[in-house]
Amino acid sequence: GQQLNQSPQSMFIQEGEDVSMNCTSSSIFNTWLWYKQDPGEGPVLLIALYKAGELTSNGRLTAQFGITRKDSFLNISASIPSDVGIYFCAGPTDSWGKLQFGAGTQVVVTP
Amino acid sequence: NAGVTQTPKFRVLKTGQSMTLLCAQDMNHEYMYWYRQDPGMGLRLIHYSVGEGTTAKGEVPDGYNVSRLKKQNFLLGLESAAPSQTSVYFCASSYMKIWDLASSYNEQFFGPGTRLTVL
Repeated sequence: GQQLNQSPQSMFIQEGEDVSMNCTSSSIFNTWLWYKQDPGEGPVLLIALYKAGELTSNGRLTAQFGITRKDSFLNISASIPSDVGIYFCAGPTDSWGKLQFGAGTQVVVTP
Repeated sequence: NAGVTQTPKFRVLKTGQSMTLLCAQDMNHEYMYWYRQDPGMGLRLIHYSVGEGTTAKGEVPDGYNVSRLKKQNFLLGLESAAPSQTSVYFCASSYMKIWDLASSYNEQFFGPGTRLTVL
């Protein structure tokens, strides 16, 4: 099946720094999704991307759909303590909405 | 609206015991999903349902059974728990639509999770 490789596995950053993470696939996705999971909670959708090359923002978050359709990037600008959590990339794998998830990037923000 | 709720929040089982996890949604969603989350592995789909009375296998279905007798509920059962089933379990739901992979996505809404430990 399709594999999503997400990197880095974890990041320890200082408040105010920018964060970048990416996700690559062995095959093409037509949609890329970025979810965030707060500690002790379920994932919540942050951004959905539908077209190759698309750049979409949600507040301090910006995500891009790679031109090859095999990768996607998420940037967080000026990080704050509430950015802590696990960020997952995901892509739909069939018409029933089933998702393939990356392993996640754990973000820890220190004051 | 409560969204997606899961019961229980925590459970400890002994090997060989059985239990049922309950997922309930009040958004009138057609589709429901059960995932498990293990460290370093993201979320993996166990079973899913595309409507009342229907279920299908996901990526890691072995050792689990599911039922969708009512549209708003999706039950996940472990008949004989094993330590390998120690995990955090998440339920999710989404609307049904005519799916067009090139244009849109029906967001999956997740519950808060159930942390299961099998000794």
